[in-house]
Amino acid sequence: GENVEQHPSTLSVQEGDSAVIKCTYSDSASNYFPWYKQELGKRPQLIIDIRSNVGEKKDQRIAVTLNKTAKHFSLHITETQPEDSAVYFCAAIIHTGNQFYFGTGTSLTVIP
Amino acid sequence: NAGVTQTPKFQVLKTGQSMTLQCAQDMNHNSMYWYRQDPGMGLRLIYYSASEGTTDKGEVPNGYNVSRLNKREFSLRLESAAPSQTSVYFCASISPGKNIQYFGAGTRLSVL
Repeated sequence: GENVEQHPSTLSVQEGDSAVIKCTYSDSASNYFPWYKQELGKRPQLIIDIRSNVGEKKDQRIAVTLNKTAKHFSLHITETQPEDSAVYFCAAIIHTGNQFYFGTGTSLTVIP
Repeated sequence: NAGVTQTPKFQVLKTGQSMTLQCAQDMNHNSMYWYRQDPGMGLRLIYYSASEGTTDKGEVPNGYNVSRLNKREFSLRLESAAPSQTSVYFCASISPGKNIQYFGAGTRLSVL
């Protein structure tokens, strides 16, 4: 099956700085890559996603990039704010299957 | 729409006791999932159901059983709880054709 690795496991940034979280995947058949944000004690919620036919997608302060050749994708958060503090998960899904494979999460802390 | 509803929110069991976690969605989704979330491990798939009447094992199925009662409901049963099953359990469903996963609020289970 698919193997998704996520780095770093923890990340601290000053308010206003950018944050970057990276994920790699192993199965070239994966074609959908969502990112979830999970606040403490809450459920994961989708914040942005990208499909394999697109190289980059942006939504206000967050963006995701995908490099299919290298099998990695990244989440970029610009102008970070304290409310961005949370755990972020990447995931991958193979186009022929139903299973989501999750990374182990990145705990982001934005220091005011 | 309530989305994905899980019950109970919290549960404490003694080793060897059994219990069923309930999950229901009102979004007419075909695919439903059960995950467990442990610190530093991300979300790991226990079982999933691609459609009513079908269930498949995920990454960590041992010690669990599931039932897809109808299109709305997907339950997870622990027949003989063990301390290693102490975790937070999330149910999820997927919007057809879009792969967007919606999560329930979670069940925090402690097995003593």
